[in-house]
Amino acid sequence: NAGVTQTPKFRVLKTGQSMTLLCAQDMNHEYMYWYRQDPGMGLRLIHYSVGEGTTAKGEVPDGYNVSRLKKQNFLLGLESAAPSQTSVYFCASTPPPTGLGISGNTIYFGEGSWLTVV
Amino acid sequence: GQSLEQPSEVTAVEGAIVQINCTYQTSGFYGLSWYQQHDGGAPTFLSYNALDGLEETGRFSSFLSRSDSYGYLLLQELQMKDSASYFCALDTGRRALTFGSGTRLQVQP
Repeated sequence: NAGVTQTPKFRVLKTGQSMTLLCAQDMNHEYMYWYRQDPGMGLRLIHYSVGEGTTAKGEVPDGYNVSRLKKQNFLLGLESAAPSQTSVYFCASTPPPTGLGISGNTIYFGEGSWLTVV
Repeated sequence: GQSLEQPSEVTAVEGAIVQINCTYQTSGFYGLSWYQQHDGGAPTFLSYNALDGLEETGRFSSFLSRSDSYGYLLLQELQMKDSASYFCALDTGRRALTFGSGTRLQVQP
């Protein structure tokens, strides 16, 4: 069982280049998220999706776009990369809330994608 | 918006008990979560408090007091492998999380 898989794991971009990060989950989860984590800080939510064909902005959406064409995939795009977007990017997924049980509240994270913009 | 405050570092010895506090400011939330993250790794879920009180999961317990805007994570019988960063996070709806800056726990022999 792969869980949440992110591609690529490492990437170096030049300023102004574009790229797409792919997140794939095999747990049939409805909700998916993209976070970024800068050194010594907590994660910050970029965009999220509560189902196929839906997306919503998080705390730091500027400079990013997302798409959820298939339930199992959530794509994060950088149209024109900037050095400020150098970060570690984490994808996550979870089922919709089912109540107060722990199993309904666990969020599963991918292993991260290290992106450097020079 | 939301904000969370945690101590930046905590040191404890193997076998001891340590408490990591989290205070927050928010206009509303569904629950308080705790995550563990080892250097270079992904965050992993530890606990979720939707209601006030104590939740226990093995060696880890988490507490929430909505009236005090306060929560904590309690780690018992500390092991070397518990050395990691610990984050509290508010669930602001649809499981979208706002994270604190993290507490780095160092367990010494």
